[in-house]
This record gives sequence, C-alpha cells and structure tokens, in this order.
Amino acid sequence: SQQGEEDPQALSIQEGENATMNCSYKTSINNLQWYRQNSGRGLVHLILIRSNEREKHSGRLRVTLDTSKKSSSLLITASRAADTASYFCATDGPGSARQLTFGSGTQLTVLP
Amino acid sequence: DTEVTQTPKHLVMGMTNKKSLKCEQHMGHRAMYWYKQKAKKPPELMFVYSYEKLSINESVPSRFSPECPNSSLLNLHLHALQPEDSALYLCASSPRDGRLSSYNEQFFGPGTRLTVL
Repeated sequence: SQQGEEDPQALSIQEGENATMNCSYKTSINNLQWYRQNSGRGLVHLILIRSNEREKHSGRLRVTLDTSKKSSSLLITASRAADTASYFCATDGPGSARQLTFGSGTQLTVLP
Repeated sequence: DTEVTQTPKHLVMGMTNKKSLKCEQHMGHRAMYWYKQKAKKPPELMFVYSYEKLSINESVPSRFSPECPNSSLLNLHLHALQPEDSALYLCASSPRDGRLSSYNEQFFGPGTRLTVL
C-alpha cells in the first residue's frame, strides 16, 4: 500500500532555480530514500537518510528529515533541464526491512 | 557490472498467451523484487525474493508467477493476463543482507513495457 504522499504533484521551474519537493509518511521508519525516474524508465537511487539523521547533502541535493512530523524534503539547487523527471520518496519501515513503500511522486519540469 | 538488466524492453501479448519477463543482475545482491507501475503512479511492490526464496507476495493474482532460478536471475511468468495488467514492470535488486540491520538501496532495471490486448 502507498504510505507516502508527496507535494506538489507537479512542479515547473526555470533553469537555475531551486526545486523543493516534500514527502509525508505514516509509520515509523528505518530510513527514507529519494529516487528519480525519467519518463518510462527505471528508478535511480539519489540519496538515503537514516531515521537518526536530520539533514544530508549530495552534490546539488539536500534532504531533510523530521521524524516528529513524519516528513522529508528534497531540495535540488541550481536546477538544470536534465533534472526534469519524476521524483519519489520511499520509506523502509522497521517491520519489513527489505520492502520499500513509495510516495505518490512529484513531476518536476525544468524549463531551459 | 553494476546494472540490472531486463528483457524484453517491450512486450505485446494477447489474453491467452503465455510469456515471461526476465531480470538479471551480477552484483551479488541477495534480494530481488518485482514492481508494477502504471502511468503517473508510483511503483507497486509485487514480489520479494530473499536468498532465492519468495519472502513477500503482495496478494498478486496467480496469473503472475515469479521464479528465482539462481541468485542472479529473476523471472516473471505471465499467463491469461487482462488488459488492466498493461503497465511497466520493474525489477530491482538490493545488496541487503537480511540478517543485518542495514539500509537497502535498490537498483532498478529499465523495465519491460507490457501491453495486453
């Protein structure tokens, strides 16, 4: 079943701007991951944040996690047209450690 | 080799056909997954194999039959499918050792686009 909800559902920005996507989930987690999917292709893992971490960076990506609010955000700085894709958060709960539950996804369009 | 490969890329089949999807990885991962994804929706988990044994079946209809012949291969056998089964079928693998409490980043294949007529 789908645990996470993401907002916005769709986001359109100009190249060079920052993009922020939010994810909320319902149950306790081991970690939260973000994945990217280009149209009709497989998912690519972007970044993982553990439940005891609050913020993590990887290149132009910044992820935050607030376990008290059961929410996470993904910030992409200085966006590029090539960042156009769908972005999904995925949670890994303590009870089913090999199973990911994906959020509803945000479709990001970066206009050149 | 850090790829998960899936064949075929596209498959069109009738409701009476029998076909199989194939997934392969050579990263030594011991967990493998099948997901179904409809357009503009997130992937939905179908099956999980851990150490070549089926560990999770998310109430998938019996017209989908998974098989894990060895630690590198995962098949999904299809029989008597319905048009609503048309979707992108994604395979993934994970390095996770089920005995350890470590994270399980998943590596996805490119998917098989299935159309059932």
